[in-house]
Amino acid sequence: DAGITQSPRHKVTETGTPVTLRCHQTENHRYMYWYRQDPGHGLRLIHYSYGVKDTDKGEVSDGYSVSRSKTEDFLLTLESATSSQTSVYFCAISEYSHGKTTDTQYFGPGTRLTVL
Amino acid sequence: AQSVAQPEDQVNVAEGNPLTVKCTYSVSGNPYLFWYVQYPNRGLQFLLKYITGDNLVKGSYGFEAEFNKSQTSFHLKKPSALVSDSALYFCSNTDKLIFGTGTRLQVFP
Repeated sequence: DAGITQSPRHKVTETGTPVTLRCHQTENHRYMYWYRQDPGHGLRLIHYSYGVKDTDKGEVSDGYSVSRSKTEDFLLTLESATSSQTSVYFCAISEYSHGKTTDTQYFGPGTRLTVL
Repeated sequence: AQSVAQPEDQVNVAEGNPLTVKCTYSVSGNPYLFWYVQYPNRGLQFLLKYITGDNLVKGSYGFEAEFNKSQTSFHLKKPSALVSDSALYFCSNTDKLIFGTGTRLQVFP
């Protein structure tokens, strides 16, 4: 497995509270991604990063923010969690850009978030 | 709209029989197509990809996929299924970072 860890692996929180999920990689890959996985929807891109301090929005970015202050860490923050954000969140990394090459994405083990 | 579709939520097959998991695409630009597999409580793992060239792509664990431009399809196949192949399979277009909804493959002994 690629060196990708996610923390926490499980979290239960209440509506309206802030939540931060962390993705940490040891591969020194430039590109990092956050997806959410929901039944019937597959994986949907939330945000991605193409370098330190360089990020962009994905298909379902509303209600989420990200930060990347170091190559190895990509944080996903839910400023005020809602029940619709209950999901499994996956981080992925790739060495090259999805748009420029055909590089494979490597996925972390996921974080299961429940918002009550 | 750009999309990748997996028309079957679940595919059931007996061990030893051939299996097919279907994927169709509708994307502009390069149809960089990937297949990933997800085992329970794990992240997705790369199986194979089509970039250009040979329409028949061979990947991990004996899987292969055929790119068909006229039918805009990229079906995943294996000649002889194993019980251990039971998992969730995703088709993806990495150029647009979009995934299909997934197909659960159940292989019965």
